[in-house]
Amino acid sequence: AQSVTQLDSQVPVFEEAPVELRCNYSSSVSVYLFWYVQYPNQGLQLLLKYLSGSTLVKGINGFEAEFNKSQTSFHLRKPSVHISDTAEYFCAVSPTGTASKLTFGTGTRLQVTL
Amino acid sequence: GAGVSQSPSNKVTEKGKDVELRCDPISGHTALYWYRQSLGQGLEFLIYFQGNSAPDKSGLPSDRFSAERTGGSVSTLTIQRTQQEDSAVYLCASSLGAGGPHEQYFGPGTRLTVT
Repeated sequence: AQSVTQLDSQVPVFEEAPVELRCNYSSSVSVYLFWYVQYPNQGLQLLLKYLSGSTLVKGINGFEAEFNKSQTSFHLRKPSVHISDTAEYFCAVSPTGTASKLTFGTGTRLQVTL
Repeated sequence: GAGVSQSPSNKVTEKGKDVELRCDPISGHTALYWYRQSLGQGLEFLIYFQGNSAPDKSGLPSDRFSAERTGGSVSTLTIQRTQQEDSAVYLCASSLGAGGPHEQYFGPGTRLTVT
């Protein structure tokens, strides 16, 4: 079984400041890692994913994440946030060798203000 | 092209009634998933369909929940004898195939309120 922990339920940040959203996971098998974003009253949209290879993954809207196997982490970063980045962010994992049902973290609400 | 669509967008029902939620996946996607998003439980996997294989029902919370997928396309999630704890947003997703590398595309969800 897999589990995902997002310790920060809310992260307030000023516009143009950097941000890091933390994600740690636990799994007895190899996993793929994902970050999804959910804007108000919308479905989930994939930001980026780690499957294999380079541990630094770049996604849409200027976001990037780094896979750290020893720390079982997959933190999401953006060097300069915009008001439009205000949304809920979900970290998720799925086993590599079986059906790709996702296990999600509880989400982090990113609130960007002027 | 068209994304995943779900209907209705909102559903209010009385406790004890049955409800049906519909999902239209992206054309050509063989895998279809249902998830539930609720305040108390976060995002939970419910059920997964892949082609003609038997569905993975391991996430269904009780036998009041069932789902079918007709013709390998449209799916219906049915909740019988609804309870207040069933109130949540039900999300559908589809992907090109099974296996982690395939991105899941999510629909906007159906918000279910049980009164």
